[in-house]
Amino acid sequence: TQLLEQSPQFLSIQEGENLTVYCNSSSVFSSLQWYRQEPGEGPVLLVTVVTGGEVKKLKRLTFQFGDARKDSSLHITAAQPGDTGLYLCAGASYISNFGNEKLTFGTGTRLTIIP
Amino acid sequence: EAGVAQSPRYKIIEKRQSVAFWCNPISGHATLYWYQQILGQGPKLLIQFQNNGVVDDSQLPKDRFSAERLKGVDSTLKIQPAKLEDSAVYLCASSFLAEGTDTQYFGPGTRLTVL
Repeated sequence: TQLLEQSPQFLSIQEGENLTVYCNSSSVFSSLQWYRQEPGEGPVLLVTVVTGGEVKKLKRLTFQFGDARKDSSLHITAAQPGDTGLYLCAGASYISNFGNEKLTFGTGTRLTIIP
Repeated sequence: EAGVAQSPRYKIIEKRQSVAFWCNPISGHATLYWYQQILGQGPKLLIQFQNNGVVDDSQLPKDRFSAERLKGVDSTLKIQPAKLEDSAVYLCASSFLAEGTDTQYFGPGTRLTVL
């Protein structure tokens, strides 16, 4: 069973501070996605990283895929209250004999930005 | 474009009762997923359909859970009989393809409470 451990599990910081969330696994993934989930809603895709070492920026959010494609990080610069939510990483792996892929979600990081 | 629809939004039942959830994916999406999200955790894939065929149900407790996707569009997930540990949010998602780089669109989920 593939596991994706996220750290920290909970993070509460002041508006304007920077933060990093980590997503680690012993398994190799073909790609990795980051989602954000608001209360009462389903997760919404933020970004997909595919190549080992890849870095993607989305405004104040920077995503990095580890060289070995086993880990990833999400860095937020100058956090704002609107960044509050549950952040989930998800690794893609092939389903044998079908050519399809499935996602294994991480344990989640609940982020609270205090105004 | 309409999103993924799920119903009901909330359900409260007693243990050993049966319950069913319904999902209508985004039009044209061949792949449909059911996830179980226990409070404070990331979603866990229960079953993945490609059109009306099952491509992965390795984490579906088949002694009590069943799912179908007749005609390759709508899907239902059933629990019979329910246990206390089935209390969770059940998320349905759909995607155009079943590749790791594809975007999964999630519905709002059904929150199940088993008493």
